[in-house]
Amino acid sequence: AQRVTQPEKLLSVFKGAPVELKCNYSYSGSPELFWYVQYSRQRLQLLLRHISRESIKGFTADLNKGETSFHLKKPFAQEEDSAMYYCALYSGTYKYIFGTGTRLKVLA
Amino acid sequence: SAVISQKPSRDICQRGTSLTIQCQVDSQVTMMFWYRQQPGQSLTLIATANQGSEATYESGFVIDKFPISRPNLTFSTLTVSNMSPEDSSIYLCSVESRGPGELFFGEGSRLTVL
Repeated sequence: AQRVTQPEKLLSVFKGAPVELKCNYSYSGSPELFWYVQYSRQRLQLLLRHISRESIKGFTADLNKGETSFHLKKPFAQEEDSAMYYCALYSGTYKYIFGTGTRLKVLA
Repeated sequence: SAVISQKPSRDICQRGTSLTIQCQVDSQVTMMFWYRQQPGQSLTLIATANQGSEATYESGFVIDKFPISRPNLTFSTLTVSNMSPEDSSIYLCSVESRGPGELFFGEGSRLTVL
């Protein structure tokens, strides 16, 4: 079955501490994975995709096919990173499977 | 990018009534998507709307309950029919503007059914 799992509903870290938001997936093909973010009172938006291998706002995510993971990382958290983060898998034919989301709180 | 306007942004409705949510995109798109986000849960795709044809519904969602219109390449509506409290949710309109990989979302319509 195709599935995206985000085990943490809430992650609290102090400003300046490293952040890792976990995402595991189950997919039989070659996965295309994404991280979406929703800041307070804003709409859901794409943060990054694994194909691009880019760093956005200091965040990176590496696809690990052996562990079927796509964890989102940032070395030094900032208060403005506080948001809801969703991991998503593109399963083909316009279908995206979203995880349940992790709320990140960065404490001052 | 695509800018999506959704309305209403929120509404409180009585059981048994119906509500239509509108979604307007600032550019022409082939497919529009309707998602539901129930409290504490993930986004679930309700249906995919292609202009000029009937919407394609996901398992667990039916046209009688969630009729969708797609009259042109920039507009769609989702109706939640015969509402019950279990329909209380955020409904999101979305488009895929640059091929697979980037969904753009509306602000969402928060529906509360009493």
